[in-house]
Amino acid sequence: GEDVEQSLFLSVREGDSSVINCTYTDSSSTYLYWYKQEPGAGLQLLTYIFSNMDMKQDQRLTVLLNKKDKHLSLRIADTQTGDSAIYFCAESSTGGYNKLIFGAGTRLAVHP
Amino acid sequence: SQTIHQWPATLVQPVGSPLSLECTVEGTSNPNLYWYRQAAGRGLQLLFYSVGIGQISSEVPQNLSASRPQDRQFILSSKKLLLSDSGFYLCACSGENQPQHFGDGTRLSIL
Repeated sequence: GEDVEQSLFLSVREGDSSVINCTYTDSSSTYLYWYKQEPGAGLQLLTYIFSNMDMKQDQRLTVLLNKKDKHLSLRIADTQTGDSAIYFCAESSTGGYNKLIFGAGTRLAVHP
Repeated sequence: SQTIHQWPATLVQPVGSPLSLECTVEGTSNPNLYWYRQAAGRGLQLLFYSVGIGQISSEVPQNLSASRPQDRQFILSSKKLLLSDSGFYLCACSGENQPQHFGDGTRLSIL
């Protein structure tokens, strides 16, 4: 069945780059998403990429997609303490209601 | 852009009591609506989705039910809560083939 996997924890120093990785199994995925969840809050959509793209950049965020290996990554440049949060990878297939399959989330800790 | 309202933000309920969580959406028409549950330290599990008024699909068998009495209102209910119903409940909405956007969630504790 469909599955999305992420490493559970990442620790980086403030100012360094963070790279959060995700793998998925559904070869019919059309969109892949990155959401951010701060403590006690809902999920905030950060960015998403269509499956026929291999890269998308948005300010400090860069998404790389390797469709052959079903591997997605999120790079955060110049990581700040405000970037500390849980980051969820999700994938969807075509379908009117846009069903999302989420990974378990990667907790990013940024230290001085 | 759409705004998603969820209330209450936190709720403490005894086992066996009923539940009603409400989600309303502004800024969009005929959205797809979703209820998710997030257990502590875990990812999100889709509970229900709705593509229109009165149309509810359930993803997993459980103690909960959902209703959509109006286009932009989605309600999550239970007649008798179980301890295992504790969690963080998130409502989301999307246009067709559009990304889902989430509300701020309701943290439900069952005692």
